[in-house]
Amino acid sequence: EAQVTQNPRYLITVTGKKLTVTCSQNMNHEYMSWYRQDPGLGLRQIYYSMNVEVTDKGDVPEGYKVSRKEKRNFPLILESPSPNQTSLYFCASSKTSVAQYFGPGTRLLVL
Amino acid sequence: AQSVTQLDSHVSVSEGTPVLLRCNYSSSYSPSLFWYVQHPNKGLQLLLKYTSAATLVKGINGFEAEFKKSETSFHLTKPSAHMSDAAEYFCVVSGRMDSSYKLIFGSGTRLLVRP
Repeated sequence: EAQVTQNPRYLITVTGKKLTVTCSQNMNHEYMSWYRQDPGLGLRQIYYSMNVEVTDKGDVPEGYKVSRKEKRNFPLILESPSPNQTSLYFCASSKTSVAQYFGPGTRLLVL
Repeated sequence: AQSVTQLDSHVSVSEGTPVLLRCNYSSSYSPSLFWYVQHPNKGLQLLLKYTSAATLVKGINGFEAEFKKSETSFHLTKPSAHMSDAAEYFCVVSGRMDSSYKLIFGSGTRLLVRP
């Protein structure tokens, strides 16, 4: 089954404790991206990757890092999380940026 | 610059009546436009997409949208609402800028369906 998986689905952490949210897709897509969703703001793009070893900033990249060492994986790294990064995070992939497939979401709470 | 505006944050309809969710866009490029749906506690699902082919686009679950360049609109419609349509809907614009793609999401419209 074609899918985008994210782990963990729910995470509570404390300020400053580094964390990684994993994202994996099994569709051999070149394009992957991360979004955060906040009430009243829709989804905002954090980072995206056009292919392996090619990443670029989206609209709200501050406080986040990504890497793309393999085509199927695109982890999101928060080196020093802060409460304003409490949000719902979605990973997505596609062959191009058209018709992206979204993962189920990761709900993060930073205390 | 590209942007998308969803004109209603909430829309309430009765089951069996038509649905209209409004979206206006702004783009310096020839845009691709999408509608996504998000059911409670679920991820996003693509409803339909416009990529410069037919201006009337049919999607899943009986939804359709019409691309109107003169009005810079891409409104989502359905002839008859079903209870299962209750969800949040996002209008999205995409366009190629330099060598990269950007996706811009609207702030969402929550559809309520009354029995």
